[in-house]
Amino acid sequence: KQEVTQIPAALSVPEGENLVLNCSFTDSAIYNLQWFRQDPGKGLTSLLLIQSSQREQTSGRLNASLDKSSGRSTLYIAASQPGDSATYLCALGWEYGNKLVFGAGTILRVKS
Amino acid sequence: EAQVTQNPRYLITVTGKKLTVTCSQNMNHEYMSWYRQDPGLGLRQIYYSMNVEVTDKGDVPEGYKVSRKEKRNFPLILESPSPNQTSLYFCASSSLGFNEQYFGPGTRLTVT
Repeated sequence: KQEVTQIPAALSVPEGENLVLNCSFTDSAIYNLQWFRQDPGKGLTSLLLIQSSQREQTSGRLNASLDKSSGRSTLYIAASQPGDSATYLCALGWEYGNKLVFGAGTILRVKS
Repeated sequence: EAQVTQNPRYLITVTGKKLTVTCSQNMNHEYMSWYRQDPGLGLRQIYYSMNVEVTDKGDVPEGYKVSRKEKRNFPLILESPSPNQTSLYFCASSSLGFNEQYFGPGTRLTVT
């Protein structure tokens, strides 16, 4: 069974801080890992997708890394802004399920 | 504009009254799926479809039905809704199962 854990469950930081969100998983048999953003009452928006053969992906102020051997991924947000406030979810494309397996998410609040 | 649409966005109904939540995508995606999101449990897959006329169960299929008669549409059917199906439902699509997922805006269902 694939289990995905996101730590911390919630995070509050002042504007301008760099921060790291963590995602860990128990089975390294994955196709890829995706990070999503979810705003209250809205759907999920894909931020970054890392294939299993890749180590990291970058988009603007966001950088996601993947270490399959240790079962970990991190999402690094540079120079955080109040507009970054949202729930961030990681999801794995698991080889044995034809599906994405989601973590419970990290609720981020960036204070101005 | 590439998008996944869901209707209705909000629905309050009573136990046992059959309902259908529609999902449509305009990206010619092969893969579509339904998730439910509950506090503390994250997103769980209900059903998925790899192509027209091909559907399969996800993690929590009990009490739900789906059909995939056309590539663009993937309705979710609750034949006899119960209060434990009160949840936030998301439809998603992608070109292949683990490629970048596009999510609909969500349907908030309340069953009384």
